[in-house]
Amino acid sequence: EVQVVESGGGLVQPGGSLKLSCAASGFAFSELTMHWVRQASGKGLEWIARIRDKAYGYATEYPASVKDRFTVSRDDSKNTVYLQMNNLKTEDTAVYYCAREAFYLDLWGRGTRVTVSS
Amino acid sequence: EIVLTQSPATLSLFPGERATLSCWASQPISNNFLTWFQQKPGQAPRLLIYGASRRATGIPDRFSGSGSGADFTLTISRLEPEDFAVYYCQPYGTSWTFGQGTKVEMK
Repeated sequence: EVQVVESGGGLVQPGGSLKLSCAASGFAFSELTMHWVRQASGKGLEWIARIRDKAYGYATEYPASVKDRFTVSRDDSKNTVYLQMNNLKTEDTAVYYCAREAFYLDLWGRGTRVTVSS
Repeated sequence: EIVLTQSPATLSLFPGERATLSCWASQPISNNFLTWFQQKPGQAPRLLIYGASRRATGIPDRFSGSGSGADFTLTISRLEPEDFAVYYCQPYGTSWTFGQGTKVEMK
């Protein structure tokens, strides 16, 4: 089955760190760019990270809101993309989605919930 | 960075009515690389339209996208009960920031 499945969410204190995973199956993961998108409760979608494939040197992109705190990486041998989140803030509380880029974002996971609270 | 503005914020309509949603970009979008997504509560976004006007696989033909440059429209010709949801536009290729969304609610 063609799918991406996120994991690793949970409760973390402000200032803490968390690493999310997104496991892909059913498609040529190593040849495609992957993204992370998040959504705070009752709010809109916020794009937060992109990682290209090996042919593009695994180049990464972030918006200013998370740059320097979040790091996206991938392990093509495990068909998995990761999101390392450091110095977490209460405003980072959201559902985090992983998505595949086939020119556009055509395949999404169900998301994993991250709660930043003391 | 391209900023997308969606209008209206909320659209209240009856089933069977026509819905027209707008998405304006702060600068022209190259090659009309614009997508529309539908999102229902508790679900991931679902791709509806790419390339501004091409329906994704399995999307009913009551959904149509149009526009070019910096002005785009999503039209739902006759609203079905399952179409009441939030709709987002997003550019792709060089910019990835979503519009703020339009909620289509049942009147």
